[in-house]
Amino acid sequence: AQKVTQAQTEISVVEKEDVTLDCVYETRDTTYYLFWYKQPPSGELVFLIRRNSFDEQNEISGRYSWNFQKSTSSFNFTITASQVVDSAVYFCALQYGGATNKLIFGTGTLLAVQP
Amino acid sequence: DAGVTQSPTHLIKTRGQHVTLRCSPISGHKSVSWYQQVLGQGPQFIFQYYEKEERGRGNFPDRFSARQFPNYSSELNVNALLLGDSALYLCASSLGTRSDTQYFGPGTRLTVL
Repeated sequence: AQKVTQAQTEISVVEKEDVTLDCVYETRDTTYYLFWYKQPPSGELVFLIRRNSFDEQNEISGRYSWNFQKSTSSFNFTITASQVVDSAVYFCALQYGGATNKLIFGTGTLLAVQP
Repeated sequence: DAGVTQSPTHLIKTRGQHVTLRCSPISGHKSVSWYQQVLGQGPQFIFQYYEKEERGRGNFPDRFSARQFPNYSSELNVNALLLGDSALYLCASSLGTRSDTQYFGPGTRLTVL
């Protein structure tokens, strides 16, 4: 079965703290893709990163970094020096082999950054 | 370039009615997918269309249907609305069928009374 688990329902931090959002996935496919999306209160899902199953290199983009570990089926997302504008719901998603580009989403983590 | 656009933004319907939601993809994108997001949950896949053909369907009843037009825009139709159909309906577009990144529109918030 294909599944994405985001065990953290809500996280609250104070501005400038670092925060890590966890994502654990399940799939039997050897080729798959993992994504992170941000959903601010406006509702639109904003694409953050796409990673394929053959590329385990960690990635850094400004204050954002991602740690992909196939051994633990995890694709965690860290925000360094968090800001109030980072407050949103963050979704991890899995796209696996098949005829469609269907995304399987986790239940999301609500991040609240307090000033 | 313009992103994915959806209309209307908000919609209120009563049980048993029919609704049509519209989506225009990013220019050059040929695939459109629809997702339903119930409050507090992650989006659930409803349909994917590519080159005007249905390429995938999620676990939704036949009351849900969709189509894609020659200009790659798409409509999602829901018949015989139920209270449980109240949700945010998201449209996403991508270049092709598989593995391409999907970019989402702002969504249509449907309330069924």
